[in-house]
Amino acid sequence: AQSVTQLGSHVSVSEGALVLLRCNYSSSVPPYLFWYVQYPNQGLQLLLKYTTGATLVKGINGFEAEFKKSETSFHLTKPSAHMSDAAEYFCAVCEDTGRRALTFGSGTRLQVQP
Amino acid sequence: NAGVMQNPRHLVRRRGQEARLRCSPMKGHSHVYWYRQLPEEGLKFMVYLQKENIIDESGMPKERFSAEFPKEGPSILRIQQVVRGDSAAYFCASSQRTGFGTDTQYFGPGTRLTVL
Repeated sequence: AQSVTQLGSHVSVSEGALVLLRCNYSSSVPPYLFWYVQYPNQGLQLLLKYTTGATLVKGINGFEAEFKKSETSFHLTKPSAHMSDAAEYFCAVCEDTGRRALTFGSGTRLQVQP
Repeated sequence: NAGVMQNPRHLVRRRGQEARLRCSPMKGHSHVYWYRQLPEEGLKFMVYLQKENIIDESGMPKERFSAEFPKEGPSILRIQQVVRGDSAAYFCASSQRTGFGTDTQYFGPGTRLTVL
């Protein structure tokens, strides 16, 4: 069975500081990994995804994530936070077994202080 | 190209009433997924449908909940005899089957159900 753990339900950074949101997964088969962002009262928007190939994945809005198989991690980073990055971020995993359901972490709420 | 559409955006029902949530997938997408988000929690998978078929309903509660995706028209998530615990945001996602690795799910804005 697959699962996702997001360490830290709330993360606060200063504007211009590094953003690091942690995600660890558990999967019995090679996973596909996703990061989604959710702004208040809105749906989820895909930030980036890892399927195969290059382990460093670049997404929208300056975010990137690195798949580390040995650490079963897929942490999300952004070099310099912007006020507009304040939102909830969800890491999700999907196994390549034909079952297409995404398993989500519990989310990390990012606050950006001026 | 319009995104995934969901309506209504907000729905209020009294205990015991029925709730019907609609989802129109993105143009060209034939796969629909329903997820539920309880307050302060992540999304939980409910059901995966293709046109006229339920593929995976392992996340659906055994009673009162049903889903369909007819040949014509939107996908419907139906909750009968709603209870307060059904209050949540219900999200629909759609995907285009081009091969599993690129089978990205695109989410709608959600329907926020409040049961009084």
